[in-house]
Amino acid sequence: AQSVTQLGSHVSVSEGALVLLRCNYSSSVPPYLFWYVQYPNQGLQLLLKYTSAATLVKGINGFEAEFKKSETSFHLTKPSAHMSDAAEYFCAVSLVGNEKLTFGTGTRLTIIP
Amino acid sequence: DAGVTQSPTHLIKTRGQQVTLRCSPKSGHDTVSWYQQALGQGPQFIFQYYEEEERQRGNFPDRFSGHQFPNYSSELNVNALLLGDSALYLCASSPRFGLDTGELFFGEGSRLTVL
Repeated sequence: AQSVTQLGSHVSVSEGALVLLRCNYSSSVPPYLFWYVQYPNQGLQLLLKYTSAATLVKGINGFEAEFKKSETSFHLTKPSAHMSDAAEYFCAVSLVGNEKLTFGTGTRLTIIP
Repeated sequence: DAGVTQSPTHLIKTRGQQVTLRCSPKSGHDTVSWYQQALGQGPQFIFQYYEEEERQRGNFPDRFSGHQFPNYSSELNVNALLLGDSALYLCASSPRFGLDTGELFFGEGSRLTVL
């Protein structure tokens, strides 16, 4: 079975500062990994995905994540935070050929002006 | 393209009642998955439908059932509602094996409150 742990349920950063949201996964086989963003009263939007190609993955809105097998991590970063980045972020894992996503509990990102 | 549409957006039920939630997938998608998102939690997989059959199921009781129609739209039914069923119910559509390509799109959800 696969699982995801997101460290820090709330993260606050100043506008223009580095954003770092942490995600560690557990999987018995090579996983697919995803980051989703959820704005208030909305569904989930895919930010980026890792599906066994390049380990450094670039997504939308300037976000990127690096797959580190040795650390079983898939942390999300953005060099410079913008007010519009304030939202809930979810890391998720699935197995190759399996259509089920297993989500972490989420990290709420607050941007300080 | 309307994307994934869900109805109703909000509803209130009482314990013991039954509820039906509806989902229309994004144009060109034939696979529908349902997730339950309790307040402050990440979404949890309920089940997935493809070719009008349940293909995968998460750890949810039989009170949760679904259906997929020939036009690929889907319904989620919950019987004998409990207070703990209060949540945002998300529908996601994709082509078959859409996770491989990231082509999994979520609707905005149906928020169910059970009193």
